[in-house]
Order: sequence, then structure tokens, then C-alpha cells
Amino acid sequence: KAGVTQTPRYLIKTRGQQVTLSCSPISGHRSVSWYQQTPGQGLQFLFEYFSETQRNKGNFPGRFSGRQFSNSRSEMNVSTLELGDSALYLCASSLALGALGYTFGSGTRLTVV
Amino acid sequence: ELKVEQNPLFLSMQEGKNYTIYCNYSTTSDRLYWYRQDPGKSLESLFVLLSNGAVKQEGRLMASLDTKARLSTLHITAAVHDLSATYFCAVDGDGAGSYQLTFGKGTKLSVIP
Repeated sequence: KAGVTQTPRYLIKTRGQQVTLSCSPISGHRSVSWYQQTPGQGLQFLFEYFSETQRNKGNFPGRFSGRQFSNSRSEMNVSTLELGDSALYLCASSLALGALGYTFGSGTRLTVV
Repeated sequence: ELKVEQNPLFLSMQEGKNYTIYCNYSTTSDRLYWYRQDPGKSLESLFVLLSNGAVKQEGRLMASLDTKARLSTLHITAAVHDLSATYFCAVDGDGAGSYQLTFGKGTKLSVIP
């Protein structure tokens, strides 16, 4: 079966711009969560969506937002990009909120210049 | 605040040797995950440990969980070069209904021929 699909794989943006990343979960998985990975801070939780509702949010500024559609696909948006937003953004899908096990996508590598 | 601490953070070992990576966590949740990440790649799930005394093995890797000590170990037996990667432990669930993954900082393993 198809895995978790993230698009695009790579992005280069300029400071001040905004960016939208997409994540399609495994078919039948209804929960999508997002993580940011940087060399300095490691892997940090951004937010989780289930049934089109944000259920949990990490400690990130309001410039980071997301949404989930009725087909469980999710997007995250970062506005007013800063150099420090350069990171690998990983999406994980699971069957449901609180379900055991997460499958991660290949990630989107965002570079802000 | 939930904390997950791994040690060592860097590990250089010769092929054929054994070693153990340690993961301490502070939450009451007992869902412990181990992931592997190759450079520039996503997270690959290795093990999920749920109960006290749980032990799982796959090839040269064996993971165990001691919920009383809030400690998990990842033991590497007779290391081979292909095991070179970064290994993360993570915990989800804080005992209060939140299920975001909190990761350790990772252990970068280099197996030298």
C-alpha cells in the first residue's frame, strides 16, 4: 500500500515569504501530525489533526498553522519565513488519535535564504 | 514538561562489537518507540514497546523497556557497517490524553570496519 506522501520534497524560499507543505496519509489513516527537525533543536512536535480539527499543538509561534481536509490530507503553512525556519518537516500518519504507531513521510526540506 | 534523554549522543564502534544505547523518559506514558534515520532520510520505525519487561528483537538490534525505571535500551550485537545511522527513542502520551511524540536528541552511530 502507498505510504505517507509529502510534497514538495525540497523548497527554497526567501525570508518574509510564506510556504505551504502537503501531506497525504496512508489510506485509512485519519490522524496526521507534523514535526520539525533541525540540527540544533532536534525533532519537535508542531501539531496534530484528526477529523479536520487541530487536536494538539506544540510550542511554535502563530506563523505556523495547518489544516486537514475531509480526505485526511493535511497542509501546513508557515508565514513570514525566517532563516531559523530552515528545517526538515516531517509528517506522520496514524489510524486515529491516540492510536499506536506512526508512519512518517519522506519529509520536505525547506531552506530559507 | 515531558523529557526524553538519550545517551550517548555519538557512538563510534568497530564492526563485531556490542553496545547499548540508553533512553530515559519522564512521563508516565508507557508507549516507547525506537526509530532509525539515515542521513537526509525520513524516520523508519524499528520497535514499539508497551509493557514493563517488553523485549523485541530484529536482526542485530534488541530493544527492552523497564517502565518502573522509565528506561529503554537498544542493544546492538556484533555491529555491522549497515547499522550506521541515527537512532531516536520517543515517547507518546503524557498520561493526560495527549499523544504527541517527544523525541530524544538521537544517537549517531558510526560502525567502523
